[in-house]
Amino acid sequence: GNSVTQMEGPVTLSEEAFLTINCTYTATGYPSLFWYVQYPGEGLQLLLKATKADDKGSNKGFEATYRKETTSFHLEKGSVQVSDSAVYFCALSFPNAGGTSYGKLTFGQGTILTVHP
Amino acid sequence: GAVVSQHPSRVICKSGTSVKIECRSLDFQATTMFWYRQFPKQSLMLMATSNEGSKATYEQGVEKDKFLINHASLTLSTLTVTSAHPEDSSFYICSAYGEYEQYFGPGTRLTVT
Repeated sequence: GNSVTQMEGPVTLSEEAFLTINCTYTATGYPSLFWYVQYPGEGLQLLLKATKADDKGSNKGFEATYRKETTSFHLEKGSVQVSDSAVYFCALSFPNAGGTSYGKLTFGQGTILTVHP
Repeated sequence: GAVVSQHPSRVICKSGTSVKIECRSLDFQATTMFWYRQFPKQSLMLMATSNEGSKATYEQGVEKDKFLINHASLTLSTLTVTSAHPEDSSFYICSAYGEYEQYFGPGTRLTVT
């Protein structure tokens, strides 16, 4: 079956530090890959996504590149801020036949990020 | 962006009682909604896929008679936890597909005493 594995947390960084959260996946076929973020007390929000190999998703200074050869989708940010403190989830899904939507998401276990001033 | 709401945000109930959780898409129609369960420090586990006007599709290991799902309209899905027990205590999250993206509700914290 499909699965997503994220690096163990929690991750604690100082403001302006470089962030990497590793994510690898196992899937039959070629899924689309996502990073979701869950801020305290809020629902999950889509942070970025990539739909095919070598695609780079980016948003709010975060980036992740779809690496088919290593089945990875690591999340990076060059300079984190206190406001980035949240839980980050890597996920995969397959598009429907028309490519207009997706089926169910398979999530990694989540990584708690805390950024100190 | 699209908004998905859940009600209530927190609920405490006694063992043996039933609890209903509502999930609404506020500014778009959702033919498909998903219900997840999240344990502390763990990932989201998909419980079931809720389809408007038809029966829900449950994931393996999820008791459909215990977790009743009704998707009565294009903007509302409900999850009823029947005869709740302390082990049902968890964080329940719903989501719905808007245009090309899945939007998540803020979650409902259920505590069964």
